[in-house]
Amino acid sequence: GAVVSQHPSWVICKSGTSVKIECRSLDFQATTMFWYRQFPKQSLMLMATSNEGSKATYEQGVEKDKFLINHASLTLSTLTVTSAHPEDSSFYICSALPPGGFDTQYFGPGTRLTVL
Amino acid sequence: AQKITQTQPGMFVQEKEAVTLDCTYDTSDQSYGLFWYKQPSSGEMIFLIYQGSYDEQNATEGRYSLNFQKARKSANLVISASQLGDSAMYFCAMREGSGANSKLTFGKGITLSVRP
Repeated sequence: GAVVSQHPSWVICKSGTSVKIECRSLDFQATTMFWYRQFPKQSLMLMATSNEGSKATYEQGVEKDKFLINHASLTLSTLTVTSAHPEDSSFYICSALPPGGFDTQYFGPGTRLTVL
Repeated sequence: AQKITQTQPGMFVQEKEAVTLDCTYDTSDQSYGLFWYKQPSSGEMIFLIYQGSYDEQNATEGRYSLNFQKARKSANLVISASQLGDSAMYFCAMREGSGANSKLTFGKGITLSVRP
Protein backbone atom coordinates (compact mmCIF):
# COMPACT_ATOMS: atom_id res chain seq x y z
CA GLY A 1 0.00 0.00 0.00
CA ALA A 2 0.92 3.64 -0.23
CA VAL A 3 3.39 4.93 2.30
CA VAL A 4 3.45 8.25 4.07
CA SER A 5 6.43 9.08 6.22
CA GLN A 6 6.89 11.62 8.98
CA HIS A 7 10.05 13.03 10.43
CA PRO A 8 10.95 13.16 13.20
CA SER A 9 9.04 10.40 14.94
CA TRP A 10 9.54 12.13 18.26
CA VAL A 11 11.02 15.39 19.42
CA ILE A 12 11.66 17.05 22.75
CA CYS A 13 12.24 20.78 22.80
CA LYS A 14 12.45 23.68 25.17
CA SER A 15 9.61 26.10 25.60
CA GLY A 16 9.87 28.99 23.16
CA THR A 17 11.62 27.13 20.40
CA SER A 18 10.15 26.18 17.01
CA VAL A 19 9.80 22.65 15.74
CA LYS A 20 9.35 21.53 12.14
CA ILE A 21 7.65 18.26 11.25
CA GLU A 22 7.87 16.85 7.75
CA CYS A 23 5.28 14.71 6.01
CA ARG A 24 6.16 12.95 2.78
CA SER A 25 4.12 10.78 0.45
CA LEU A 26 6.66 8.26 -0.82
CA ASP A 27 5.00 6.66 -3.79
CA PHE A 28 2.28 8.98 -4.99
CA GLN A 29 1.73 12.65 -5.56
CA ALA A 30 -0.56 14.21 -3.02
CA THR A 31 -2.14 17.50 -3.91
CA THR A 32 -3.88 17.44 -0.55
CA MET A 33 -2.44 16.59 2.83
CA PHE A 34 -4.00 16.91 6.25
CA TRP A 35 -2.55 17.61 9.67
CA TYR A 36 -4.14 16.20 12.80
CA ARG A 37 -3.47 16.51 16.47
CA GLN A 38 -4.22 13.82 19.01
CA PHE A 39 -4.11 13.98 22.79
CA PRO A 40 -3.74 10.76 24.80
CA LYS A 41 -6.78 8.50 24.67
CA GLN A 42 -8.62 10.98 22.47
CA SER A 43 -9.66 11.20 18.87
CA LEU A 44 -7.84 12.84 16.00
CA MET A 45 -8.64 16.50 15.56
CA LEU A 46 -8.12 18.01 12.15
CA MET A 47 -5.93 21.08 12.35
CA ALA A 48 -5.61 22.08 8.72
CA THR A 49 -5.85 21.00 5.13
CA SER A 50 -2.71 21.56 3.12
CA ASN A 51 -2.91 22.07 -0.62
CA GLU A 52 0.15 22.09 -2.84
CA GLY A 53 0.94 25.56 -4.09
CA SER A 54 -1.65 27.37 -2.05
CA LYS A 55 -2.31 28.47 1.50
CA ALA A 56 -3.47 25.92 4.01
CA THR A 57 -7.04 25.92 5.23
CA TYR A 58 -7.16 25.94 9.01
CA GLU A 59 -9.93 24.57 11.17
CA GLN A 60 -11.74 26.88 13.53
CA GLY A 61 -9.75 27.54 16.66
CA VAL A 62 -6.37 26.61 15.20
CA GLU A 63 -3.89 29.47 15.29
CA LYS A 64 -2.46 30.04 11.84
CA ASP A 65 0.54 31.95 13.11
CA LYS A 66 1.43 29.27 15.57
CA PHE A 67 1.04 26.25 13.34
CA LEU A 68 2.64 27.13 10.04
CA ILE A 69 1.94 24.77 7.19
CA ASN A 70 3.81 24.72 3.91
CA HIS A 71 2.97 22.31 1.10
CA ALA A 72 6.01 23.00 -1.02
CA SER A 73 5.73 20.10 -3.43
CA LEU A 74 3.39 17.29 -4.37
CA THR A 75 5.16 14.96 -1.97
CA LEU A 76 6.05 17.18 0.97
CA SER A 77 4.12 19.15 3.55
CA THR A 78 5.64 20.64 6.67
CA LEU A 79 4.12 21.73 9.95
CA THR A 80 6.09 24.18 12.04
CA VAL A 81 5.06 24.70 15.64
CA THR A 82 6.36 28.16 16.43
CA SER A 83 7.30 29.29 19.93
CA ALA A 84 6.22 25.97 21.34
CA HIS A 85 4.80 25.76 24.85
CA PRO A 86 4.08 22.74 27.05
CA GLU A 87 0.41 22.80 26.05
CA ASP A 88 1.51 22.13 22.47
CA SER A 89 2.81 18.75 23.55
CA SER A 90 0.81 16.24 21.59
CA PHE A 91 0.87 13.57 18.90
CA TYR A 92 0.82 15.12 15.44
CA ILE A 93 -0.24 12.96 12.51
CA CYS A 94 -0.29 13.83 8.85
CA SER A 95 -2.16 12.10 6.08
CA ALA A 96 -2.14 12.29 2.32
CA LEU A 97 -4.90 11.93 -0.20
CA PRO A 98 -3.95 10.26 -3.49
CA PRO A 99 -5.38 11.83 -6.65
CA GLY A 100 -8.99 10.78 -6.99
CA GLY A 101 -8.69 8.93 -3.71
CA PHE A 102 -12.06 9.59 -2.15
CA ASP A 103 -12.03 6.13 -0.63
CA THR A 104 -8.49 6.20 0.68
CA GLN A 105 -6.43 8.36 2.96
CA TYR A 106 -3.00 7.25 4.05
CA PHE A 107 -1.58 8.27 7.39
CA GLY A 108 1.95 8.87 8.51
CA PRO A 109 3.27 7.18 11.64
CA GLY A 110 2.93 10.36 13.70
CA THR A 111 5.29 12.64 15.57
CA ARG A 112 5.26 12.85 19.33
CA LEU A 113 6.14 16.36 20.46
CA THR A 114 7.11 17.08 24.05
CA VAL A 115 7.73 20.67 25.04
CA LEU A 116 9.56 21.14 28.32
CA ALA B 1 -24.46 17.36 16.73
CA GLN B 2 -21.66 14.86 16.49
CA LYS B 3 -21.10 13.52 13.02
CA ILE B 4 -19.62 10.24 14.19
CA THR B 5 -20.72 8.58 17.42
CA GLN B 6 -18.91 5.75 19.11
CA THR B 7 -20.39 5.24 22.54
CA GLN B 8 -19.20 1.83 23.64
CA PRO B 9 -16.90 1.78 26.62
CA GLY B 10 -13.79 -0.33 26.41
CA MET B 11 -14.59 -3.61 24.74
CA PHE B 12 -13.24 -7.01 25.70
CA VAL B 13 -13.34 -10.15 23.59
CA GLN B 14 -11.97 -13.63 23.96
CA GLU B 15 -9.37 -14.69 21.45
CA LYS B 16 -10.88 -16.40 18.39
CA GLU B 17 -14.33 -14.96 19.03
CA ALA B 18 -16.06 -12.29 16.94
CA VAL B 19 -16.68 -8.75 18.14
CA THR B 20 -18.78 -5.87 16.85
CA LEU B 21 -17.72 -2.28 17.30
CA ASP B 22 -20.55 0.21 16.94
CA CYS B 23 -20.60 3.40 14.92
CA THR B 24 -23.44 5.73 14.00
CA TYR B 25 -23.12 8.77 11.82
CA ASP B 26 -25.02 11.90 10.92
CA THR B 27 -24.99 13.57 7.53
CA SER B 28 -27.37 15.18 5.08
CA ASP B 29 -25.11 14.45 2.13
CA GLN B 30 -26.09 11.75 -0.33
CA SER B 31 -22.49 10.98 -1.19
CA TYR B 32 -20.24 10.04 1.69
CA GLY B 33 -17.76 7.41 2.71
CA LEU B 34 -17.29 5.53 5.95
CA PHE B 35 -13.97 4.28 7.21
CA TRP B 36 -12.58 2.25 10.06
CA TYR B 37 -9.03 2.68 11.28
CA LYS B 38 -7.04 0.77 13.86
CA GLN B 39 -4.54 2.55 16.06
CA PRO B 40 -2.24 0.32 18.11
CA SER B 41 -0.14 1.69 20.93
CA SER B 42 2.56 2.71 18.43
CA GLY B 43 0.19 5.44 17.22
CA GLU B 44 0.11 4.52 13.56
CA MET B 45 -3.32 4.78 11.92
CA ILE B 46 -3.99 1.60 10.00
CA PHE B 47 -6.76 1.63 7.41
CA LEU B 48 -9.08 -1.36 7.80
CA ILE B 49 -12.13 -0.99 5.62
CA TYR B 50 -14.16 1.45 3.55
CA GLN B 51 -17.87 1.65 2.70
CA GLY B 52 -19.27 4.08 0.15
CA SER B 53 -22.75 5.46 0.64
CA TYR B 54 -23.84 4.08 -2.72
CA ASP B 55 -22.36 0.63 -2.17
CA GLU B 56 -25.15 -1.89 -1.89
CA GLN B 57 -23.00 -4.69 -0.55
CA ASN B 58 -21.40 -4.60 2.86
CA ALA B 59 -17.66 -4.13 2.59
CA THR B 60 -15.38 -6.98 3.64
CA GLU B 61 -11.61 -7.14 4.02
CA GLY B 62 -10.32 -10.41 5.35
CA ARG B 63 -11.46 -10.75 8.97
CA TYR B 64 -13.08 -7.32 8.87
CA SER B 65 -16.57 -6.64 7.64
CA LEU B 66 -18.69 -3.53 7.84
CA ASN B 67 -22.35 -3.91 8.70
CA PHE B 68 -23.77 -0.95 6.80
CA GLN B 69 -27.35 -0.01 7.63
CA LYS B 70 -28.00 3.16 5.71
CA ALA B 71 -31.50 3.86 6.99
CA ARG B 72 -30.29 3.60 10.57
CA LYS B 73 -27.08 5.49 9.73
CA SER B 74 -24.93 2.87 11.32
CA ALA B 75 -21.65 1.38 10.14
CA ASN B 76 -20.57 -1.23 12.65
CA LEU B 77 -17.26 -3.03 12.30
CA VAL B 78 -17.25 -6.78 12.79
CA ILE B 79 -13.96 -8.49 13.52
CA SER B 80 -14.13 -12.24 13.21
CA ALA B 81 -11.77 -14.70 14.90
CA SER B 82 -10.15 -12.08 17.12
CA GLN B 83 -6.41 -12.23 17.59
CA LEU B 84 -4.25 -10.84 20.39
CA GLY B 85 -2.81 -8.38 17.90
CA ASP B 86 -6.25 -6.88 17.41
CA SER B 87 -5.97 -5.15 20.78
CA ALA B 88 -5.94 -1.46 19.88
CA MET B 89 -8.00 1.68 19.58
CA TYR B 90 -10.51 1.63 16.73
CA PHE B 91 -11.84 4.75 15.05
CA CYS B 92 -14.84 5.14 12.80
CA ALA B 93 -14.63 8.06 10.39
CA MET B 94 -16.69 9.69 7.66
CA ARG B 95 -15.90 11.75 4.62
CA GLU B 96 -18.70 13.88 3.22
CA GLY B 97 -18.76 15.19 -0.31
CA SER B 98 -16.27 14.20 -2.97
CA GLY B 99 -13.94 17.12 -3.50
CA ALA B 100 -10.26 17.00 -2.73
CA ASN B 101 -10.85 19.10 0.36
CA SER B 102 -13.58 16.90 1.76
CA LYS B 103 -12.52 16.13 5.28
CA LEU B 104 -12.38 12.99 7.33
CA THR B 105 -14.23 13.34 10.63
CA PHE B 106 -13.39 10.85 13.36
CA GLY B 107 -15.38 9.41 16.21
CA LYS B 108 -13.96 9.25 19.72
CA GLY B 109 -12.75 5.72 19.28
CA ILE B 110 -13.22 2.44 21.06
CA THR B 111 -10.55 0.51 22.93
CA LEU B 112 -10.61 -3.20 22.17
CA SER B 113 -8.79 -5.68 24.36
CA VAL B 114 -8.46 -9.28 23.24
CA ARG B 115 -8.08 -11.79 26.06
CA PRO B 116 -6.07 -15.00 25.57
